[in-house]
Amino acid sequence: AQRVTQPEKLLSVFKGAPVELKCNYSYSGSPELFWYVQYSRQRLQLLLRHISRESIKGFTADLNKGETSFHLKKPFAQEEDSAMYYCALKGVSAGRRALTFGSGTRLQVQP
Amino acid sequence: DAGVIQSPRHEVTEMGQEVTLRCKPISGHNSLFWYRQTMMRGLELLIYFNNNVPIDDSGMPEDRFSAKMPNASFSTLKIQPSEPRDSAVYFCASSLGTDTRTEAFFGQGTRLTVV
Repeated sequence: AQRVTQPEKLLSVFKGAPVELKCNYSYSGSPELFWYVQYSRQRLQLLLRHISRESIKGFTADLNKGETSFHLKKPFAQEEDSAMYYCALKGVSAGRRALTFGSGTRLQVQP
Repeated sequence: DAGVIQSPRHEVTEMGQEVTLRCKPISGHNSLFWYRQTMMRGLELLIYFNNNVPIDDSGMPEDRFSAKMPNASFSTLKIQPSEPRDSAVYFCASSLGTDTRTEAFFGQGTRLTVV
């Protein structure tokens, strides 16, 4: 079975502070990991994926297979980063090629 | 492209009534997904289609829920009869295939309230 765990429902930081949104996964094979973001009154959208090894809006995420984690990080939070963040996994088994999401973490960046 | 289009945006209905949610995927996408979002459980996959064929419906909670995709440009999710615990935001998403690297594009969602 595949599972994604985001232990924090809410993370509140001040502008300029570092941010780390935690994500752990459970999957027997080699999954693809994603971070999706949902800003207020907007649709859910892809933020980044581990395969791209990219930095989007200052965010990065490194896949740690030993710890089965895919934490999202940003060195200096901005107010516009306030949103709901979902970690997601897609497995390679034929029967489960849809995204499995974590329960989400709401990031609040205070001025 | 307007993206994935869902209708209605909001639906309020009485317990016991039938509810139909609609989704138009992005043109050319051949995979479609229905998700339900609640405070308690986050985003849960209900069902997904590939080339209009249901592939995995293990997330459909009960027989009261059914989904169809009669053609490549339209899908429905029906709840009959509806119950208050069905209140949630229902999202539809589409993608070009189900390869692990493809991105899923989401609709705005339908907020369902069953009273």
